[in-house]
Amino acid sequence: NAGVTQTPKFRILKIGQSMTLQCTQDMNHNYMYWYRQDPGMGLKLIYYSVGAGITDKGEVPNGYNVSRSTTEDFPLRLELAAPSQTSVYFCASSYRGLGAVTDTQYFGPGTRLTVL
Amino acid sequence: QQQVKQSPQSLIVQKGGIPIINCAYENTAFDYFPWYQQFPGKGPALLIAIRPDVSEKKEGRFTISFNKSAKQFSLHIMDSQPGDSATYFCAASKRGSNASKIIFGSGTRLSIQP
Repeated sequence: NAGVTQTPKFRILKIGQSMTLQCTQDMNHNYMYWYRQDPGMGLKLIYYSVGAGITDKGEVPNGYNVSRSTTEDFPLRLELAAPSQTSVYFCASSYRGLGAVTDTQYFGPGTRLTVL
Repeated sequence: QQQVKQSPQSLIVQKGGIPIINCAYENTAFDYFPWYQQFPGKGPALLIAIRPDVSEKKEGRFTISFNKSAKQFSLHIMDSQPGDSATYFCAASKRGSNASKIIFGSGTRLSIQP
């Protein structure tokens, strides 16, 4: 299993540009998440999905959009990029079967985005 | 109520020492407390986790101590090694919630000196 993969690894955007961060998992996980990690701030949840076709907002959704057309893929769309969106973005996934005791999230390697 | 406060922000320990990282939470509904380890350029990875029905959990050289009444928990690393140098995040969540959200602490950058 490749686990959670993310592309690209690095990207520089100009203010106002748009882009899509790709995330794919091959563990057949139902839940997928997007976080941003700012220096000294921990991780903040942007959006999450509990299954194909179902998404919901996290703590910091403004300026982002997501879709979940398949179990495997969960792309994050940035529209009209702003300097405040400079961050490292992590995609994660988890499985929640019936009676699951823990909720382990598996993280991808991250995408470092700079908006200038 | 949703915050998890983590300290210290950074920590330097000599090899063989026992670094201790502390976290405090406010929401008494949290019932799952994981610790994540993150190496530079990598995503966080689950290290060890505890539920509030026990006061301590050990996995190898890593130990979580949990104090439910004080709403605090801490990570201890026994016989620390330079390879343990990483950023450590505590977290808290409420299992069974629809969102499966996890609230992360701000992280501790640990450096183990040889």
